[in-house]
Amino acid sequence: EAGVAQSPRYKIIEKRQSVAFWCNPISGHATLYWYQQILGQGPKLLIQFQNNGVVDDSQLPKDRFSAERLKGVDSTLKIQPAKLEDSAVYLCASSLDLRQSTGELFFGEGSRLTVL
Amino acid sequence: GESVGLHLPTLSVQEGDNSIINCAYSNSASDYFIWYKQESGKGPQFIIDIRSNMDKRQGQRVTVLLNKTVKHLSLQIAATQPGDSAVYFCAETTTGGGADGLTFGKGTHLIIQP
Repeated sequence: EAGVAQSPRYKIIEKRQSVAFWCNPISGHATLYWYQQILGQGPKLLIQFQNNGVVDDSQLPKDRFSAERLKGVDSTLKIQPAKLEDSAVYLCASSLDLRQSTGELFFGEGSRLTVL
Repeated sequence: GESVGLHLPTLSVQEGDNSIINCAYSNSASDYFIWYKQESGKGPQFIIDIRSNMDKRQGQRVTVLLNKTVKHLSLQIAATQPGDSAVYFCAETTTGGGADGLTFGKGTHLIIQP
């Protein structure tokens, strides 16, 4: 079974530039999450989708971050304009339904962003 | 502050010994807990989970203990091997509603000494 695919794996940009990350979840997984992991910390939830609808975006800095999952499958996360503190690994995860399954979130390998 | 935290940022154990990684959580409404293992350059990998109606759950070489009274979670790894070297995160969520994204702690770096 294919895992969660993310691209690009690495991205270096200058502050005030924009960047986009792409995620393709495991086939059949209705729920998709984007997490931000700053070096030395645990992942922090940015946004959760259920199919193509947003379930939780309370921790997403909406002035500069946006995410969409238009067809309920793959998703993109955009940052515009980027700040130095946005340097982190952006992890995408997918799951069936925590209430009906084992609840396991499957994570991709992440997209490492460096903002100079 | 973090609603889920760990007592020790680094744990060093001898190969073959048992490891115990601890986690404290503050949200009494949390009803589902997961331990993840993260190796360098990779995404977190599921180890074991436990729901709040249980006190203990065992997997292959791993055991999770949940003490709801003191809001404490622990991960026990038996006969630690070099491949167990990684950062371990506990995570929590409340599954009653639609928003069930996990809240992660800061992590414990497990170092295996030969």
